[in-house]
Amino acid sequence: DTAVSQTPKYLVTQMGNDKSIKCEQNLGHDTMYWYKQDSKKFLKIMFSYNNKELIINETVPNRFSPKSPDKAHLNLHINSLELGDSAVYFCASSQGPGEQPQHFGDGTRLSIL
Amino acid sequence: GENVEQHPSTLSVQEGDSAVIKCTYSDSASNYFPWYKQELGKRPQLIIDIRSNVGEKKDQRIAVTLNKTAKHFSLHITETQPEDSAVYFCAAGHASGGSYIPTFGRGTSLIVHP
Repeated sequence: DTAVSQTPKYLVTQMGNDKSIKCEQNLGHDTMYWYKQDSKKFLKIMFSYNNKELIINETVPNRFSPKSPDKAHLNLHINSLELGDSAVYFCASSQGPGEQPQHFGDGTRLSIL
Repeated sequence: GENVEQHPSTLSVQEGDSAVIKCTYSDSASNYFPWYKQELGKRPQLIIDIRSNVGEKKDQRIAVTLNKTAKHFSLHITETQPEDSAVYFCAAGHASGGSYIPTFGRGTSLIVHP
């Protein structure tokens, strides 16, 4: 029973397109995150939501728009995709917004042609 | 902001040896230090964490030590096994305005030779 699940697992698309990645957690956690892991494996936080409210926005281009319809879901929509957006995007969740262990999803590998 | 340096970038050991990975951080306010293991093509998984009010924590073959004065923390793996081969990430951060923002190290690729 997957704790943090994200879809799709792979996403191949052309520059300029708009795409979405979905994430759901069944852990009953209040806080969810989006991370970007680049080709050099560097992991960087992008956004965090706590109980559907945005609490962290780490200077991400406004082409990226997260949406949290409820505390179990956090989706990421990306407009006008660029080559530099190619990466693995991980969703994660934690019990609360503070210093808590985070549980990661399996990642979405986004490739821009 | 926080800056985390992680060394070495690659570590190759023989099965049964110990492995040590070191991280330094810059923000003295950081108070939570998790370590993640990421196998090839898989998600990062928390393996151990330590808070600033503790100097050492151990879980079977894995231990973490924290030196707040020197602002560094280390991961120790004893009796390494081939299945320990993975990339290990350290992270540091503190909650600001109620939100914890982790800064990750660049990762250490651990290779355990049978």
